Parts: sequence; C-alpha cells; structure tokens
Amino acid sequence: EVQLLESGGGLVQPGGSLRLSCAASGFTFSNNAMNWVRQAPGKGLEWVSHISGRGIGTYYADSVKGRFTISRDISKNTLYLQMKSLRAEDTAVYYCAKGFYDSSDYLWALDFWGQGTMVTVSS
Amino acid sequence: QSALTQPASVSGSPGQSITISCSGTSSDIGGYSYVSWYQQYPGKAPKLMIYHVSNRPSGVSDRFSGSKSGNTASLTISGLQAEDEAVYYCNSYTSSSTLLFGGGTKLTVL
Repeated sequence: EVQLLESGGGLVQPGGSLRLSCAASGFTFSNNAMNWVRQAPGKGLEWVSHISGRGIGTYYADSVKGRFTISRDISKNTLYLQMKSLRAEDTAVYYCAKGFYDSSDYLWALDFWGQGTMVTVSS
Repeated sequence: QSALTQPASVSGSPGQSITISCSGTSSDIGGYSYVSWYQQYPGKAPKLMIYHVSNRPSGVSDRFSGSKSGNTASLTISGLQAEDEAVYYCNSYTSSSTLLFGGGTKLTVL
C-alpha cells in the first residue's frame, strides 16, 4: 500500500525558513517522480514543485522559484521541500504527491497524495 | 502563470449528467495530452480521477470521462450520485515544464 506522510509544518515568521519532509513507502521511491502541491485556506490547489525519480530534474512554480528547493534522499525514501524567505502568501496545506506512470511513461499526473502538513507564515 | 479557467460551480440532480469545462491556452491544454482531473472532499487530499485527457485510473467509476478539444478540456460525470458532490480540479502540463491547476469547480448534487 502506497503511503505518503508529510511532516515539518508549523508557524513561522515572515522571512523565516522551514523544511518539510514526506516519508514514502509501498512503492519503489527511486523510480518515481514526486511533487509538492499546496492549498491556501479556502482556496484551490497550486502546484509547487517536481523532482524526477533520481533527483536530476527539478521544476518550480514561478511563485516559489529561488526561495524553495525540492530534494530527495533515496536511501531514506524521503522527499523534502526547503522553504526560505517565507511570505504570508505561502500559508497553506502542503501535500506531497507521487507521479503517475503508465508502463514506464511519466504522464504528469499525481496518483497518490499524503494528508498534508500545514504551514502558517505570520508574525 | 494564471490558473486554468473552470466554472466556480455546477449542479445537477441524481441520475443526470454534468460537464465541467477547463479552458487554457496552446501552451498548456492545447499543446499537450497531459490533462488530468482531481476530486477533493472537504478536509481531504485530492484523488486522481482522469489522466492523459481521458483515461481512468484503476478503481475510478466509468461514470467519469474526460475529453479535450483545442485549448479546452472537459470532465463529464454521468448518472450523478450524491457521493459525487465535491470540488473538481483540472490540471495540465505546460510548455514551461510545470503543472497548472484550474481554480476548481464545486459540484452540487441537488
């Protein structure tokens, strides 16, 4: 059974930093692209970042580029999101999500999601 | 980049069919077949309902179907059931190698 468990959320002041983690199990972590998606309170989904299976390719939404860094530790089956220079508009539930493959083709869809971790940026 | 455009809300009676539209540009929906749809209940994580424009993951009811024409994708739910009441989001790959979500559509089953 695929499981994704996010942690690391909390209250942080504007300008501060936070690192989110997502512990993965139930699938071959190194073979799967992973993503972070966030949802501000009462708002819609916003894609944040993507990392390829081996961690070579990374992509970011313009809203976080230069401030957030996605990474993964294959030995620990864990995905990370390092967030710096946090702003009030970064307040959201952050979900990690597994990339969906059909055979060996990555189809840029997200088939399993964690339950999310809340990040609040406020003074 | 601006979100894909979805209607804020749609409604239908049990047994009816509804369609949710999702409008983009040639740089996202119109340029790729990587369109997906997600269902989200309040306080819950989203669930993948459609991928690659019109394909259903294992376990998703065949009452859900997807299509695309030009820069617009659509999700159709036939035989509406009370349990379908949720928020639905479209999503597309873009020419910037990013993913873009729609603003979400709240489906009300009357």
